Amino acid sequence: KAGVTQTPRYLIKTRGQQVTLSCSPISGHRSVSWYQQTPGQGLQFLFEYFSETQRNKGNFPGRFSGRQFSNSRSEMNVSTLELGDSALYLCASSTGSNYGYTFGSGTRLTVV
Amino acid sequence: QKEVEQNSGPLSVPEGAIASLNCTYSDRVSQSFFWYRQYSGKSPELIMSIYSNGDKEDGRFTAQLNKASQYVSLLIRDSQPSDSATYLCAVNGGYSSASKIIFGSGTRLSIRP
Repeated sequence: KAGVTQTPRYLIKTRGQQVTLSCSPISGHRSVSWYQQTPGQGLQFLFEYFSETQRNKGNFPGRFSGRQFSNSRSEMNVSTLELGDSALYLCASSTGSNYGYTFGSGTRLTVV
Repeated sequence: QKEVEQNSGPLSVPEGAIASLNCTYSDRVSQSFFWYRQYSGKSPELIMSIYSNGDKEDGRFTAQLNKASQYVSLLIRDSQPSDSATYLCAVNGGYSSASKIIFGSGTRLSIRP
């Protein structure tokens, strides 16, 4: 059974640019959640999509957005990148948060 | 107040001993509780889930839940060097499976040979 697939694994972007990250969940999982992980802040919840609808949202600025497609694949976009956006971005899929999440390997974003 | 709190450590435990990791949470309506293990440079991996008061055992791991005290713990028996990692406590922040999962900042565990 394939796991959660995130692409790309590494990205280097310049301040002011935008970036799109992709996540393919485990087959059959309709919920996809995104987290930002930094050494100082730990795992911070960005948003969750379920059946193409944003169901939960964290406390991040509007520069962070996402969407989910009919095949449950999800994308996350960050516009006008700032140095502080450098982090590991993790995608997780589940059948429901009562059962916990399975994480992908993450995308390491570096903003220079 | 943070929603899920853990001691950041590092917690150093001799090989073969019991490692005890603790977590408190603030939302009384939380129903589902999880422990994740994260090795350096890797993504978190679910190792235990617990839903009702009491203990739940899985191999060398035991999760303990006390909803009245809003407290979750993880015991690792016969600690091995391979258990050295950061352990994240996570809580379903509501009644239903539609609620988001909130993570603590993690406790770094080091098993010394």
